[in-house]
Amino acid sequence: KQEVTQIPAALSVPEGENLVLNCSFTDSAIYNLQWFRQDPGKGLTSLLLIQSSQREQTSGRLNASLDKSSGRSTLYIAASQPGDSATYLCAVRRETSGSRLTFGEGTQLTVNP
Amino acid sequence: ETGVTQTPRHLVMGMTNKKSLKCEQHLGHNAMYWYKQSAKKPLELMFVYSLEERVENNSVPSRFSPECPNSSHLFLHLHTLQPEDSALYLCASSQDPPMGQAREKLFFGSGTQLSVL
Repeated sequence: KQEVTQIPAALSVPEGENLVLNCSFTDSAIYNLQWFRQDPGKGLTSLLLIQSSQREQTSGRLNASLDKSSGRSTLYIAASQPGDSATYLCAVRRETSGSRLTFGEGTQLTVNP
Repeated sequence: ETGVTQTPRHLVMGMTNKKSLKCEQHLGHNAMYWYKQSAKKPLELMFVYSLEERVENNSVPSRFSPECPNSSHLFLHLHTLQPEDSALYLCASSQDPPMGQAREKLFFGSGTQLSVL
């Protein structure tokens, strides 16, 4: 059974700091991995999707890396801003065809002005 | 705006009530999903519809009944719920690729925050 763990559960940083969020998964037979952002009481917004054959994806100040063999992904946020405050979730999709995404519990990020 | 609209945004109901959650996607996708998000727990997949046919049912109690009348609309009918069913219910959609390939990005609605008294 695939399990996804995100560390830390919560993180508070001053504005402008570069930071790294971690995601680990127990079964390396994944098809892809997604990072999502969730604002309080809202739905999820997809930030980055990395295929299993890729090493990283970048979008603006965000960079996500994937090390499939070791079961790890990181989300790097450069020059953090208060507007980045949210919960960040990672989710992996299994290698066989199908719909199931396994989510982590998320990292709650607070960026202080 | 993600292109997936959920109504109502908030719902309070008693255990004997019957209510329905509605989801509509404006993205031309052919697959729709219901997820449950409880406090301090990972998102749980409840149901998946692909081309209006239910393709996955994640052992959800029968007090939750989904309906997908067409590829743009998805409902979740609720009856005789329990207090532990209180959660954020999220709808999502995606474009189903050809057979044998995994689905790609999910687009989520803002959710319905449900409280069962």
